[in-house]
Order: sequence, then C-alpha cells, then structure tokens
Amino acid sequence: GAGVSQSPSNKVTEKGKDVELRCDPISGHTALYWYRQSLGQGLEFLIYFQGNSAPDKSGLPSDRFSAERTGGSVSTLTIQRTQQEDSAVYLCASSPGAGMNTEAFFGQGTRLTVV
Amino acid sequence: AQKITQTQPGMFVQEKEAVTLDCTYDTSDQSYGLFWYKQPSSGEMIFLIYQGSYDEQNATEGRYSLNFQKARKSANLVISASQLGDSAMYFCAMPSYGQNFVFGPGTRLSVLP
Repeated sequence: GAGVSQSPSNKVTEKGKDVELRCDPISGHTALYWYRQSLGQGLEFLIYFQGNSAPDKSGLPSDRFSAERTGGSVSTLTIQRTQQEDSAVYLCASSPGAGMNTEAFFGQGTRLTVV
Repeated sequence: AQKITQTQPGMFVQEKEAVTLDCTYDTSDQSYGLFWYKQPSSGEMIFLIYQGSYDEQNATEGRYSLNFQKARKSANLVISASQLGDSAMYFCAMPSYGQNFVFGPGTRLSVLP
C-alpha cells in the first residue's frame, strides 16, 4: 500500500490475554518504530528496527512486551498477559533509513483497550 | 542521546494571529535534522516541516516556518494566520543515526474564534 498500515485499528481484550499488533511499513523502508501514546499524552518510544534487527529496544516497558520484524517488512508487537495500564494507542512509523533527514511516516495506530 | 524539550504544555491563540511553539534540543551530533509533526484529534501524525542543521535558511512551508537558532539549540515553529483547523497537538522530533526517532512531549494548541 501507499502508506503505513496497522491492524487491527481497534482491539478490546480481557486482562491477562495476549495480543498481537501488526504493522506493514511503506515498501522499501528499512527503519521501523513502535510508539505508545496514552490519551492526551506524548509518544513513548518502545522499539526501533533497522532491517530485521532491533538496535534499540530500550523502551519496552516490561518483559511482557516483545516485537519482531520479518523480511525487513512486517512487524508484530506482542503484549503478553495484558494489564489495564497497557491500554493506549500503539503507533507504528517507518522511514527510508536512519538518518538526519529521513522523515518518519506514521500509521493510523491501534487503539488497545484492556478490560 | 538526543533529547527534545517542549516547555509549553498548552497554548491559546486567536484566529488569524501568529503563534510560536517552542522546541529546544540536545544532541552531540554535528549533523542533525529537526521535524515538526501535527496530531489533530483524529490521531494521525502529519509531517509539517523539516530543518537540517546545515541549512543556511530557516525552513518554510506555507504558513509554517521554523525559527532555527543553532547556537541556542532551538527550533521553534511559527504558524502564521492561525486557523481553527490548526487546533491540535504539535510535536518536535529528531532522528539520529542508528537510534530511535526522539519526540518531545508536545504542545496542545487551541485556536480561538
């Protein structure tokens, strides 16, 4: 597709369940970022991929969070044993590379609600 | 590591007036870039304007311009002739080589009719 695609757009899950959030970056973009945004707040960095490797996963809040990227393309963010504090919008972005003038293009986000 | 500071959690401006949103940054890189994004209530992140550290001119894009002061490490966004549709969150951001794309905490702009 032309832009960054995230699925699902909305997800309601019960506390304790696992969820998978998917991000399809723009074709050819080597860098991929995951952020979390609570209501009315700023962007909390989670993890960054360059190709299939994650040089910076410093933002993952706990070992319940993991992410992978395959084929230098699609990425999946997995949250195990979800908690209510995991409720937020999860944003994915991609860019052509990791450089000073490379714009990050964002998806529409996945709104996760843990009940 | 890069750090972005936006000291104005919220700003109000009258329609048709100009407004300046502050952004200061900290980096040890000699070459860097700064981006501004707009996030309306719909949640999408919209790229507004880019400034490279070696650009001699301040960046402009329509009603948006950057007041870039390298020595002060500031890259303030100026919106001229504010419109009601400018009401949104505004984020200053900086990418870095091999690291994540760093965002400031954002400024919520409200344009008053």
